[in-house]
Amino acid sequence: AQRVTQPEKLLSVFKGAPVELKCNYSYSGSPELFWYVQYSRQRLQLLLRHISRESIKGFTADLNKGETSFHLKKPFAQEEDSAMYYCALSGLGGSNYKLTFGKGTLLTVNP
Amino acid sequence: GAGVSQSPRYKVTKRGQDVALRCDPISGHVSLYWYRQALGQGPEFLTYFNYEAQQDKSGLPNDRFSAERPEGSISTLTIQRTEQRDSAMYRCASSSGLRNTEAFFGQGTRLTVV
Repeated sequence: AQRVTQPEKLLSVFKGAPVELKCNYSYSGSPELFWYVQYSRQRLQLLLRHISRESIKGFTADLNKGETSFHLKKPFAQEEDSAMYYCALSGLGGSNYKLTFGKGTLLTVNP
Repeated sequence: GAGVSQSPRYKVTKRGQDVALRCDPISGHVSLYWYRQALGQGPEFLTYFNYEAQQDKSGLPNDRFSAERPEGSISTLTIQRTEQRDSAMYRCASSSGLRNTEAFFGQGTRLTVV
């Protein structure tokens, strides 16, 4: 069975501090990993995905297959980063349409 | 519209009533998904359509839940004989259907069963 674990429900940092949102997964194959973000009163939207290997809004995430992790990092947090963050995975191939989400981490960046 | 549109945004219904939730995907998107999100949880997959064909309904919790997409565009998720445990945010998403394309989510419908 596939599962995504986000161990922190809440994370609070000060503006300018580094931030890391943790995500671990279990999947019996090669998954595709994503980070979705929901800002206040907005819809859930894709932040980044591991196959793109991009940096979006200063965030990066590296897939570590050995540790089955896909942690989201940003060196200097901004107040506008305050949001709910969800890690998600899908299978490659035939089941690549179905996303399995973690429970989410609420990030608060304080001034 | 430019994005996925869901209606109503909020729905309060009495236990035992039927409800129908609507999703209007991005124009031209062939794939459509329904997810349910309970308070404090992440979204959970319910069902998936490719055009009008329901390809996967493994996430529907029981036979009170059904979904259709008769013309391959707008989809309706119907919950019959609602129960309090059905209270949740119901999210719809669509994608172009090409491999590895992004799924775009609607604003969601907040369902409260009283």
